[in-house]
Amino acid sequence: EVQLVESGGGLVKPGGSLRLSCAASGLTFSNVWMSWVRQAPGKGLEWVGRIKSKTAGGAIDYAAPVKGRFTISRDDSENMLYLQMNSLKTEDTAVYYCTTWWIWGQGTMMIVSS
Amino acid sequence: SSELTQDPAVSVALGQTVRVTCQGDSLTKYYASWYQQKPGQAPRLVIYDNNNNNRPSGIPDRFSGSSSGNTASLIITGAQAEDEADYYCQSRAASGSHLVFGGGTKLTVL
Repeated sequence: EVQLVESGGGLVKPGGSLRLSCAASGLTFSNVWMSWVRQAPGKGLEWVGRIKSKTAGGAIDYAAPVKGRFTISRDDSENMLYLQMNSLKTEDTAVYYCTTWWIWGQGTMMIVSS
Repeated sequence: SSELTQDPAVSVALGQTVRVTCQGDSLTKYYASWYQQKPGQAPRLVIYDNNNNNRPSGIPDRFSGSSSGNTASLIITGAQAEDEADYYCQSRAASGSHLVFGGGTKLTVL
């Protein structure tokens, strides 16, 4: 079964950091472009960023609200995707999904609050 | 504000046909994809490469896509109760390297 499972969410103070993980199984992870998408409570979907496969050059792009604060990385040997989030703001509070577009994880909730 | 614009809410009678639209300048250059999201669930891809009307396996053929100019449409022919959900379009932003979602349309099946 093809599956993505996010973890690492929780409560963090403004200005703090958190790293989210996404474990992939049932697919050739190294060939897949991966994205992070977030959804604030009661709001719509927001693209956070994307990392291409290494065979496609491995380029990483970020949405403007997170550029310079968030870092996407991947470990193809472990079938893992990561989202390192620094300088967190209250407006970063959301459910964070990892996705190949065809497949979505269940999401992990991050709350930024003092 | 989103570069892709969707109507916030649309309703359809059970068994009838409904069109959910998405407008944006980037749609004249790039394909749109459509996602369905039900409460408490992750989104699900229902249409990709809108112009070619592609559906992932398991998506009923009552879902289709079309495009004209700067508008992409998701069409549900013979809407069912289980189609009641939020629908989001997605495409590339005008820059080309970034991706963007529409604000979402809440579909109610009456």
